[in-house]
Amino acid sequence: DSGVTQTPKHLITATGQRVTLRCSPRSGDLSVYWYQQSLDQGLQFLIQYYNGEERAKGNILERFSAQQFPDLHSELNLSSLELGDSALYFCASSEDARGVGSPLHFGNGTRLTVT
Amino acid sequence: DAKTTQPPSMDCAEGRAANLPCNHSTISGNEYVYWYRQIHSQGPQYIIHGLKNNETNEMASLIITEDRKSSTLILPHATLRDTAVYYCIGRLMTGNNRKLIWGLGTSLAVNP
Repeated sequence: DSGVTQTPKHLITATGQRVTLRCSPRSGDLSVYWYQQSLDQGLQFLIQYYNGEERAKGNILERFSAQQFPDLHSELNLSSLELGDSALYFCASSEDARGVGSPLHFGNGTRLTVT
Repeated sequence: DAKTTQPPSMDCAEGRAANLPCNHSTISGNEYVYWYRQIHSQGPQYIIHGLKNNETNEMASLIITEDRKSSTLILPHATLRDTAVYYCIGRLMTGNNRKLIWGLGTSLAVNP
């Protein structure tokens, strides 16, 4: 058990809809990262938050947004969904104290299916 | 962060050692080598990391060549539960995880 919790585990929705994915990081971790993994593809970094503030953006579409709350949990919002957004979405957390990187700890993901 | 090269797939007999190679010829002196694995559709799991010296923990051993251009992850007694995709990643000592380059890794099949 990584200590990172993601909900829901599965999500099925229609094109054009909006969904919210939730992540609770490991206790003590300040950084939250969101990744997308399409079928048989590598992990694609979407966005990072550190202690409530956006730290970096990766290959995140404008239809997607995220935030990290004061209790450090994070939400990834996906809107105007398209068939190609179907994928596994992973949240990961790390300590990242004092600017020094540390290992990532991943949740078990949310499988999004857009029909 | 350095680009790494791994074989796409490997097989190993249950109970035998699994030796997973990784080439990172462009790695710089202050980049760690990290290993993660992903068991079918689960979140990737951190295994081990090292800089220059060989490292061992409860999951695996990491052997880094003296020139640091390659490394080998060793699972000493592979079990069926070790069947997974293994990722070798280079990362700066003070680097941010957002810059990690996740390739397609090595798909390890442990056979009974």
